[in-house]
Amino acid sequence: SYVLTQSPSVSVAPGKTARITCGGNDLGTKSVHWYQQKPGQAPVLVIYNNGDRASGIPERFSGSKSGDTATLTISSVEAGDEADFYCQAWDTTSDWVFGGGTKLTVL
Amino acid sequence: QVLLVQSGTEVKKPGSSVKVSCKASGGTFDTYSIAWVRQAPGQGLEWMGGIKPVFGTADSAQKFQGRVTITADKSRGIGHLELRSLRFDDTAVYFCAREKDYYGSGIYDHWGQGTRVTVSS
Repeated sequence: SYVLTQSPSVSVAPGKTARITCGGNDLGTKSVHWYQQKPGQAPVLVIYNNGDRASGIPERFSGSKSGDTATLTISSVEAGDEADFYCQAWDTTSDWVFGGGTKLTVL
Repeated sequence: QVLLVQSGTEVKKPGSSVKVSCKASGGTFDTYSIAWVRQAPGQGLEWMGGIKPVFGTADSAQKFQGRVTITADKSRGIGHLELRSLRFDDTAVYFCAREKDYYGSGIYDHWGQGTRVTVSS
């Protein structure tokens, strides 16, 4: 089955830049979507198709991909950005797959 | 503005079935797809399947095939997820989500509030 690998946690000081990565076999050929989930809430679409920002998402959030690694970048991090972030991609062997999630902590 | 409202908390015994509903308002139900994603306690997201109501076309993850049925009532704008032969590890919050752009895009831009299903003897 297909696996998307994310670091379990990322910590960043307010005002700095956070980078959350997602790796997978042949991920370079797939579209990657990103979701933010705060405790007790439903996920929120942040980035779709690798780098398109979802409606209502601040420009501080951006997505990119290099080789088989996708990156969600959050600039000028704010306390309110603290959440779990999940990447998502399709694979023929596993249907839609989510990464294990990265917990962003704002110091 | 699309709004998805799900049915309430369920407590079920092992071996039984649960049916979760997702009522959509705003937008045109016929024009979009609904996906189902679950999240076990303290765990990540897991895709279960989806449906394009206008076609009645439904797909489910291989893991759940044979145990899950995904349907939609177009006239009432309601999607349903039925999971049978429940096991303890089916305990999770079940989300419905509206799929943006086209069926199979995987872009879930509106989500229901989640339905907590607990499987307990």
